[in-house]
Amino acid sequence: QLQLHESGPGLVKSSETLSLTCTVSGDSITSSAYHWGWIRQPPGKGLEWIGNVYYSGTTHDNPSLKSRVTVSLDTSKNQFSLKLSSVTAADTAMYYCARQGPVTTYWGQGILVTVSS
Amino acid sequence: DIQLTQSPSFLSASVGDRVTITCRASQGISNYLAWHQQKPGKAPKVLIYAASTLQSGVPSRFSGSGSGTEFTLTISSLQPEDFATYYCQQLSSYPSMCTFGQGTKLEIK
Repeated sequence: QLQLHESGPGLVKSSETLSLTCTVSGDSITSSAYHWGWIRQPPGKGLEWIGNVYYSGTTHDNPSLKSRVTVSLDTSKNQFSLKLSSVTAADTAMYYCARQGPVTTYWGQGILVTVSS
Repeated sequence: DIQLTQSPSFLSASVGDRVTITCRASQGISNYLAWHQQKPGKAPKVLIYAASTLQSGVPSRFSGSGSGTEFTLTISSLQPEDFATYYCQQLSSYPSMCTFGQGTKLEIK
């Protein structure tokens, strides 16, 4: 059974870099069938796709985040990670990791990250 | 970028009602559309993918239809556990992009 679990600091200071890790069980991040991605949801608002990474290391990210996003793999631990630089209060959100396929998305449980001044 | 517009944004209904939520895409996306349900404090979960295919384990009162630019999610007979927020998601730009509708909050009348 596929499970994705986010981990990382719940509080990040403004202008610093947010770093999160997603641990995958029940599937391999070296699978060629899927991309491994991040989606966020500010409190009380809708969903925003952040970016993803393929087993080959190829990445895609949302242009609206102005190149602040780095998504990477650690195949030895079956994990993938998100780094979001130069954070502001607008980056306060629930962050979900996800397995993304061509027709659907499988979600982790989410982690709340608050950006403080 | 492809934009998705859901209507309505808020919907009030009673147990047993039949409800329909619409998702319109700014350009044709074939059937690359999924519907997700999100309950308060929980992660979204997929209900329907490829516009009309029911995810395993999802009750048959949920159904999806549409292709191109207009899609619908229908709940045939609302149950208490169905009161939640519903999001459509387009995957025609996968893997380089994906977008979500703004959500439809379904509340108990």
